[in-house]
Amino acid sequence: GENVEQHPSTLSVQEGDSAVIKCTYSDSASNYFPWYKQELGKRPQLIIDIRSNVGEKKDQRIAVTLNKTAKHFSLHITETQPEDSAVYFCAASNSNAGNMLTFGGGTRLMVKP
Amino acid sequence: DTGVSQNPRHKITKRGQNVTFRCDPISEHNRLYWYRQTLGQGPEFLTYFQNEAQLEKSRLLSDRFSAERPKGSFSTLEIQRTEQGDSAMYLCASSAAGLLYNEQFFGPGTRLTVL
Repeated sequence: GENVEQHPSTLSVQEGDSAVIKCTYSDSASNYFPWYKQELGKRPQLIIDIRSNVGEKKDQRIAVTLNKTAKHFSLHITETQPEDSAVYFCAASNSNAGNMLTFGGGTRLMVKP
Repeated sequence: DTGVSQNPRHKITKRGQNVTFRCDPISEHNRLYWYRQTLGQGPEFLTYFQNEAQLEKSRLLSDRFSAERPKGSFSTLEIQRTEQGDSAMYLCASSAAGLLYNEQFFGPGTRLTVL
């Protein structure tokens, strides 16, 4: 089955700096890669996703890159703000086979004002 | 509220008791997923339905876990003879089916505590 590794487990940045979170996956059949943000006590919420036919996607301060050959993908947050502080999860799935998500272990991002 | 809802939000039970959780997906979504999340970890997939058909259940943690979606709308997850290791957050998510509709929308979860 799929295995997703995520690094780092914690990340502390100064407000205005950039943050990068990296994930690797094992199953070459995976073709959908979402990123979820989970605040304390809240449900996971999708912030951005990318499909395997695309190498990069950007939405305002958030971008995701995908390297299918190396089986890794990354989340980039620019101009971080205190409200970006949360736990971020990457995930991978095969949308041709039920789209069951395999999550990474999470990254706790702390943005210091 | 048109999002995914789950009930109850919290459940405290004694070891050995049976518990049942309910998930109401977004009304037009025909896929429904159950995940378990333990403290400090990412959600772990358990099972999913497309309409009323349970298409994947091999990841249910043991034969004490079962799920139903009898009319293709709401779903229930039952845990029989609960154990302390079952304490976790149980999350439900729903999505539309089809290659263009991958986003899964999560409910608020049911937090289970087994004493």
